[in-house]
Amino acid sequence: RKEVEQDPGPFNVPEGATVAFNCTYSNSASQSFFWYRQDCRKEPKLLMSVYSSGNEDGRFTAQLNRASQYISLLIRDSKLSDSATYLCVVRKNTGFQKLVFGTGTRLLVSP
Amino acid sequence: DAGVIQSPRHEVTEMGQEVTLRCKPISGHNSLFWYRQTMMRGLELLIYFNNNVPIDDSGMPEDRFSAKMPNASFSTLKIQPSEPRDSAVYFCASSLTPPTGVDYGYTFGSGTRLTVV
Repeated sequence: RKEVEQDPGPFNVPEGATVAFNCTYSNSASQSFFWYRQDCRKEPKLLMSVYSSGNEDGRFTAQLNRASQYISLLIRDSKLSDSATYLCVVRKNTGFQKLVFGTGTRLLVSP
Repeated sequence: DAGVIQSPRHEVTEMGQEVTLRCKPISGHNSLFWYRQTMMRGLELLIYFNNNVPIDDSGMPEDRFSAKMPNASFSTLKIQPSEPRDSAVYFCASSLTPPTGVDYGYTFGSGTRLTVV
């Protein structure tokens, strides 16, 4: 089983739609959680951290469910510019505490 | 801060040639990571350093790949000899490990797109 699992998509949605991605992780001792965004032919960039109480940044809402070991990202009022791959990332709580990246969920927002 | 700086941005080389990729991490970061990304295999961690010391190189594909970090502000990834299957985007990332205060994860450079013909 992969340490971080995501649905690869693609998710095809029209502009203005609400879309949600889920991600599951296997290590219950994981300590930090993130969503990264990667545009085509560019580097991954931090979109937002995910806090235990859930957090919101504009149109983006992230939730963490430690009991079920899943993380979600909700995007409201989708824009064309939201088209990208969204990577779920977990920091291990052991050793050098490196980040573990999911393989990403591709989002395509169409006019 | 200028972020993580990688060079070159693009490299085209012939099979059998030596290729050297370079990375300058963010000042103050103590961990540096080399990743490779392809459509087929996604983002793969090749090696990472903590305080200039290689910690885990289990992701390095084979002996043709080597990485060094002679000081806190510079690292190289070398492929010798290069092969067409090495064609990929190579990313360098840096971070403060363990994180102090807010955890900002890793910051990636813009990558080196390597094509071996």
